[in-house]
Order: sequence, then structure tokens, then C-alpha cells
Amino acid sequence: AQKVTQAQTEISVVEKEDVTLDCVYETRDTTYYLFWYKQPPSGELVFLIRRNSFDEQNEISGRYSWNFQKSTSSFNFTITASQVVDSAVYFCALSEAPTGANSKLTFGKGITLSVRP
Amino acid sequence: DTEVTQTPKHLVMGMTNKKSLKCEQHMGHRAMYWYKQKAKKPPELMFVYSYEKLSINESVPSRFSPECPNSSLLNLHLHALQPEDSALYLCASSPQTGGTNQPQHFGDGTRLSIL
Repeated sequence: AQKVTQAQTEISVVEKEDVTLDCVYETRDTTYYLFWYKQPPSGELVFLIRRNSFDEQNEISGRYSWNFQKSTSSFNFTITASQVVDSAVYFCALSEAPTGANSKLTFGKGITLSVRP
Repeated sequence: DTEVTQTPKHLVMGMTNKKSLKCEQHMGHRAMYWYKQKAKKPPELMFVYSYEKLSINESVPSRFSPECPNSSLLNLHLHALQPEDSALYLCASSPQTGGTNQPQHFGDGTRLSIL
């Protein structure tokens, strides 16, 4: 069975601090996909990144960066120079390779990030 | 603004009412999803439609009835709901590419309150 663990539940930082959100996953599949979504107070889940299990390259997109390490089954997310607009709930999610219809996303419990001015 | 549009944004209904939630996307996606999300919890998958056919039903009670009239529209018909059904209902869509899991795009959700 798949499982995603986001051990941190709430993080509070002051603007301009760097913050890392941890994600640890479990799966028996050799092919799988990892995602990060952001959910601001307005409710919609905003897709941030998808990474497949064969691509361990780290990725940087502006102030966001992701560190994927298969050896530790982790897919951590770092926000550099945080801003108030980064305040949201962040979900890490995992899905196995689909065999037909799209397979299911397994979400972690989410991390509530508060960035104070 | 999201590319997946959900209406209404808020809905208050009694336990004997019948109402419907609507979801629309024009991205050409052939997979559409309904999720239920309680406060401070992750989304829980309810239904998946693939090419307008129901492909996954996560043992959802029959008081929730999904419908996919065409590739752009997804409805969720509600009848005789219980107070514990109060939640944020999220719709999502994704390309049906088979073999690779494309990201799901979510709407803003409908906040449902059952009196």
C-alpha cells in the first residue's frame, strides 16, 4: 500500500526566512509519481510540481526548489526567502503508474505554513 | 482563476433537499474527479471518470450520484445528505495519457453545509 508522511503539521516563519517542507513516501512500485500541491485559504489546490521515480534531478523554479532522494524515499520542498503569499497548506502526494484509467493520488496530511510579515 | 470551474461556490441545504454540484473544464482533459475534503484534512477521492465512464467509485454512499454528460462537464447530484457530509467538494481534471500520470488540475471547490 502507498503512504505519504508529512511529519510537520504546522510551520511558522518570518518573511524572508527559508523553509523546508518534508515529505517521506512508501510504495512497492518501481514506477511512481510524486507531486506537491499548494492550497491557499481560497480552497483550490494549485499544482506545483510532478516528478517520476526515474528522474532524481533536483528542480528549482524561482524561489521554490525540490530535493528528490530515492535512497531515503523523500521528496522535500524548500521555499527560499518566504513571502506572506506563501502562507497555505502544502500537500505532498504519490501515485503509482496507471494501468488503465488514471490511478489514485495518495495525499499526505498536509503542512500548514504561516509566513508572518 | 482556475481552469476548472465549479458552481456554486457555497451551498447550504437541508437533509431532505436535492441539489447538484457542477464542474466544467475546457482543457480537453478526459479524466475528471470528485474529492471530498473535511477541514484540516487532505482531499479524499470519491469518483473518477475516464472518457465519460465511471472508472473508480471509492465506496461512496448512494446519496451521492455522479454524472458525466460530456467530456467537459461533471455533476454531483446530492440527495438526503447527512450533517457529516458538510465539507469542501473539489473537482479535478487531467489529461488521459495512459502510462504517465499527468497532474490533476483542481477547481476552487464548493463549500457545502448540511443543516
